[in-house]
This record gives sequence, structure tokens and C-alpha cells, in this order.
Amino acid sequence: GAVVSQHPSWVICKSGTSVKIECRSLDFQATTMFWYRQFPKQSLMLMATSNEGSKATYEQGVEKDKFLINHASLTLSTLTVTSAHPEDSSFYICSAEGQGKGQPQHFGDGTRLSIL
Amino acid sequence: QKEVEQNSGPLSVPEGAIASLNCTYSDRGSQSFFWYRQYSGKSPELIMFIYSNGDKEDGRFTAQLNKASQYVSLLIRDSQPSDSATYLCAVSTGKLIFGQGTTLQVKP
Repeated sequence: GAVVSQHPSWVICKSGTSVKIECRSLDFQATTMFWYRQFPKQSLMLMATSNEGSKATYEQGVEKDKFLINHASLTLSTLTVTSAHPEDSSFYICSAEGQGKGQPQHFGDGTRLSIL
Repeated sequence: QKEVEQNSGPLSVPEGAIASLNCTYSDRGSQSFFWYRQYSGKSPELIMFIYSNGDKEDGRFTAQLNKASQYVSLLIRDSQPSDSATYLCAVSTGKLIFGQGTTLQVKP
């Protein structure tokens, strides 16, 4: 149980392209999903918290117009990196929180984004 | 002071030994504590979670929590080379706060 699917696994694209990443909870409903970014040899950095049916909450320093988050259903959240540039290249990972207070977050496999 | 602190390691143990990973946290109001394993280039995988003081065992893994000392640990018994990874301690304060991770190397 508690499977989170994330697509695509790899994206290589040109600077200026917008990239959409999908995160799905496959066997449970996720009211809250999270988006993280991880640079090499660093820990996970929370970018934003995605709540079904409402606007995402962004962490300090994360540009909401750059990283668009939509959580349209209880099983799907999307992150769109708009007009991506080389400095946006990173490992993006989503997670979904199990139902109930204090439940663990379960992570997708991550998306490795490379902007040329 | 960082909110969640771990020794970055690497922690090196021989195959079959017990690996002990430690974590301290600063928010006394924290209620939920998690250990994730992350292999290089992969996303984190949940290993254990613990909410109450004391020990919680699952197979070769034991999580220990001491809220008075604000200390969480993970013991891995009979360590295997496949356990070689980075272990992330995470504390929930409404959102997960991760430590920097401890790299574990299990040598055959």
C-alpha cells in the first residue's frame, strides 16, 4: 500500500521550455502532497505544500510564478516549472501524506530535470 | 542550531555488525519521527516511524525515541552491504524537517 507514482523520471529540454511533472497517489487519497527539490549531496528541500482544492503554500524563497502547482483531485498533483533555465536543473521529488494526523509521507521515484 | 541534526558520516561498519544512527531535534513539540533510506540517485524510502518514547522494532531495524533528550536513533542489526545508503532522519512539525542524512557504508 501507499504507492506514489511520479512521471516523468527524466526530462532533458532546452532553456525556456516549461516542464510538467505529475504525482499520483495510486492506492490512497492524499489531501496533502508535497514537492521537494534536492541538489547533489544535499538533503531534501521542501518547495511547497499542495492541498487538494486550494492554493499551494510555498516555502520562503520559492517563486510561485516559476513553480506552478495544481492539486485538482485527491490523487493527483502537478508541478510545472515554467520557462526553465539551467539553474532549475535538479532532482524533484513529490510525496503524499497518508490519511490521519502524523502519518508518514510516501515519496514518488523523483524526476531528474536537466535544462540545456 | 539546525532543527534536525545528524552526523553526516560516513559511518562504516563490517557486514553482520550493528549500525547505530543518531539524530537530535530542537522542537520539543514534535510528535512524529521518521527514518528514510535513500540510495544514490533515488528518492527516499520509509524505513521506520515512531511516535512514542521507547523502542519500536521491525525486522532488523529498531527505532528508539527519547523525547526528554530530543533524541531519535535507528539500529540496524546484522548489517548487509545492501544497507549501504544515506539515512535521513525526519521530524514532523506539520511538515517534515529533514536532517542532512548519515551515509552508512557496510563493508563485506
